[in-house]
Amino acid sequence: EIVLTQSPATLSLSPGEGATLSCRASQSVSNYLAWYQQKPGQAPRLLIYDGSNRAAGIPARFSGSGSGTDFTLTISSLEPEDFAVYFCQQRSSWPGTFGQGTKVEI
Amino acid sequence: QVQLVESGGGVVQPGRSLRLSCAASGFTFNDHALHWVRQAAGKGLEWVAVISFDGNNKYYAGSVKGRFTISRDDSNNTLYLQMNSLRGDDSAVYFCARGAYSGWYGDIWGQGTVVFVSS
Repeated sequence: EIVLTQSPATLSLSPGEGATLSCRASQSVSNYLAWYQQKPGQAPRLLIYDGSNRAAGIPARFSGSGSGTDFTLTISSLEPEDFAVYFCQQRSSWPGTFGQGTKVEI
Repeated sequence: QVQLVESGGGVVQPGRSLRLSCAASGFTFNDHALHWVRQAAGKGLEWVAVISFDGNNKYYAGSVKGRFTISRDDSNNTLYLQMNSLRGDDSAVYFCARGAYSGWYGDIWGQGTVVFVSS
């Protein structure tokens, strides 16, 4: 099973600042990695798929990069609604494992 | 409106069974793979099972293999998860999700249904 390790666990930032979240895989997942946002009491929301493609309706301030074992989610300028937990997920091999999450807090 | 609505959760004793349902609307159901993902209280996400768009392929997490069965009824636009021999560590919010972008990512999610396994 591929293990995804996210860092940092918590990111404390202010609205308007940029955020950089990291996800490292225990073995190569090619570009088969997604990023999700989850707010308390809500279901996850797909942001990025296949490493760098924005899902439908996702604002351009969200961008993804990386391949192989190292991936990054960048939020260019945080909006108040962006404070949430972010998970990465790989689909390179079943089961499609998730990282443990990064909390972006104010 | 594209949506998924889960039901069937509840409190159940260890060793008993429960069947979850996920009703879909607003999209062509049999065009998509479908997933069950769970989240224990205060924890991360765990992929439970996935079924292909045509129902011919099913995959399970090791933690549920042999105990859970995923199925779909395309005539009723409904996804199911039959859960047998439930254990305490199966307690979680269970989400269904529509597969997209090759089928292996969840682009539409339900609101979740809570399963609590306790004597």
